[in-house]
Amino acid sequence: ILNVEQSPQSLHVQEGDSTNFTCSFPSSNFYALHWYRWETAKSPEALFVMTLNGDEKKKGRISATLNTKEGYSYLYIKGSQPEDSATYLCAFGGTSYGKLTFGQGTILTVHP
Amino acid sequence: DADVTQTPRNRITKTGKRIMLECSQTKGHDRMYWYRQDPGLGLRLIYYSFDVKDINKGEISDGYSVSRQAQAKFSLSLESAIPNQTALYFCATSDGVIYNEQFFGPGTRLTVL
Repeated sequence: ILNVEQSPQSLHVQEGDSTNFTCSFPSSNFYALHWYRWETAKSPEALFVMTLNGDEKKKGRISATLNTKEGYSYLYIKGSQPEDSATYLCAFGGTSYGKLTFGQGTILTVHP
Repeated sequence: DADVTQTPRNRITKTGKRIMLECSQTKGHDRMYWYRQDPGLGLRLIYYSFDVKDINKGEISDGYSVSRQAQAKFSLSLESAIPNQTALYFCATSDGVIYNEQFFGPGTRLTVL
């Protein structure tokens, strides 16, 4: 079983704060690293797919970086808003065979 | 209309009962997956299927079985439910194009008493 770890498990920030969290994954047999956002009572939705070492992706105030050699990805949120409150999941794709291994998620709560 | 639907959305059952969770999709994807989510454990893969004739066990398949009735339908069965199968169950689909990006249904919350 592949080891995909996310830290921290949970995070409480104030509105306007910037924050970041980490996903660690195996550095061998890398194919892709996915970030998903999961709001309570909704389905997880894809944020980013990252495939190359050094990849950086950005969507509005959210951005992500990727280091496949050392096996980690960071997700950054600039100027957090209450609507950013969600669980953020990373998922490691180790082959092209179509399976993803998910981390346990980081629960972000942004307080007004 | 939702692209990936799951029925039922909530279910309470008793230990020893057989229960089926159903997933349907209109995305035209070949690949379908069943996951369970437990607090603090993320999503764990139960079974996956790449087409009607291809069914594969995931990391936690014991106590579960699946049926791929058609490209659009993938059902998960608990033959004899037990309390530690209480969880949130997600179905997902993928066309395998965007590095296996997966699209999730709304989830089924199952409670086994």
